[in-house]
Amino acid sequence: LAKTTQPISMDSYEGQEVNITCSHNNIATNDYITWYQQFPSQGPRFIIQGYKTKVTNEVASLFIPADRKSSTLSLPRVSLSDTAVYYCLVVGNAGNMLTFGGGTRLMVKP
Amino acid sequence: NAGVTQTPKFRILKIGQSMTLQCTQDMNHNYMYWYRQDPGMGLKLIYYSVGAGITDKGEVPNGYNVSRSTTEDFPLRLELAAPSQTSVYFCASSYGGLAGDHEQYFGPGTRLTVT
Repeated sequence: LAKTTQPISMDSYEGQEVNITCSHNNIATNDYITWYQQFPSQGPRFIIQGYKTKVTNEVASLFIPADRKSSTLSLPRVSLSDTAVYYCLVVGNAGNMLTFGGGTRLMVKP
Repeated sequence: NAGVTQTPKFRILKIGQSMTLQCTQDMNHNYMYWYRQDPGMGLKLIYYSVGAGITDKGEVPNGYNVSRSTTEDFPLRLELAAPSQTSVYFCASSYGGLAGDHEQYFGPGTRLTVT
């Protein structure tokens, strides 16, 4: 199984923009990129999905370069409640998927 | 919609015992998954299913079995429990496939301890 690689942790302050990058060098042509947020003692919660270029929803943006070997989750104006672990996951249409990486622990400070 | 439900929430097993973790979804999703998450670690895929009657192994299938007789249910069976299976188990579901909708909905998890 191919792996995804993310920074282990990041710190930020309230109101700042946070960018978390994930490396997925072995991504296949039909794979999609998804991002999840997880709070302690809860299951992950979906944030955003993309295939190429840029995707934006009400909570985040996802930037994917042309070679698709990496992706960047952008969280605008973070708050204390955004403190969580963020995972990227590459998913294939056949249900086969890459393992969740170790995730990025984001700490938002006042 | 209840979403994805899992039972039990907590369980303590003795080494060598067996049990079934239940997972049910009411969203008519084709795809279902079982993950385990060890403390401080990411999730690892145990088994997945792309539809009723179809299952396949993930990254860490040893010691587990699954079945998918209906669209709604995807139970995970642990045979001969071992301390290494102490973990939090999450079930998830998605539309997936040709729909291109890979948003996974996760259940609340089952915390299992094997002693």
